[in-house]
Amino acid sequence: GAVVSQHPSRVICKSGTSVKIECRSLDFQATTMFWYRQFPKKSLMLMATSNEGSKATYEQGVEKDKFLINHASLTLSTLTVTSAHPEDSSFYICSARGGSGGGETQYFGPGTRLLVL
Amino acid sequence: GENVEQHPSTLSVQEGDSAVIKCTYSDSASNYFPWYKQELGKRPQLIIDIRSNVGEKKDQRIAVTLNKTAKHFSLHITETQPEDSAVYFCAATRDTGFQKLVFGTGTRLLVSP
Repeated sequence: GAVVSQHPSRVICKSGTSVKIECRSLDFQATTMFWYRQFPKKSLMLMATSNEGSKATYEQGVEKDKFLINHASLTLSTLTVTSAHPEDSSFYICSARGGSGGGETQYFGPGTRLLVL
Repeated sequence: GENVEQHPSTLSVQEGDSAVIKCTYSDSASNYFPWYKQELGKRPQLIIDIRSNVGEKKDQRIAVTLNKTAKHFSLHITETQPEDSAVYFCAATRDTGFQKLVFGTGTRLLVSP
């Protein structure tokens, strides 16, 4: 139990385009999902917390108009990187709270590697 | 807010040795402390967690200890194997509402055969 999927796993796009990343909890309902960004050899940097049916809470320094988050259901959250630029290239990982481990346990998706040319 | 410090940043051991990674936290209200293992290019995987009402938890070769008074917790891996090589992250959070996990900076563990 507690499987989280993420799609796509890898995306290459041109500068100025928008990219949508999906995060799904496959076998449990996730009231809360989190979006992280990870630079090479660095820790996980929380970008935003997403609660089903409400607006996402963004961390300080993260542009909400740049990184659009939608949490339309208890099993799906999406992150859209709008007008992507090379500096947005990174590894984006989502996580979902819930599952058999307890309410506070977070399970991570496999990540999406974004490369903006 | 919560701040988590993790040491060491890198740790090299010989196969069969023990490895210990230490974390400290600042928020005395934090009561849930998970540990994640992340292999290169992969997702972080929860390997063990501990809640503040317990001082120690063990799962086969992995154990976690918690000292609430000193606000630190540690991961202990015994009889290390090459497949234990990865980056390990500690984290802390309050188990209330939708509190976010605050991660440590990670420890790169290398187990040499």
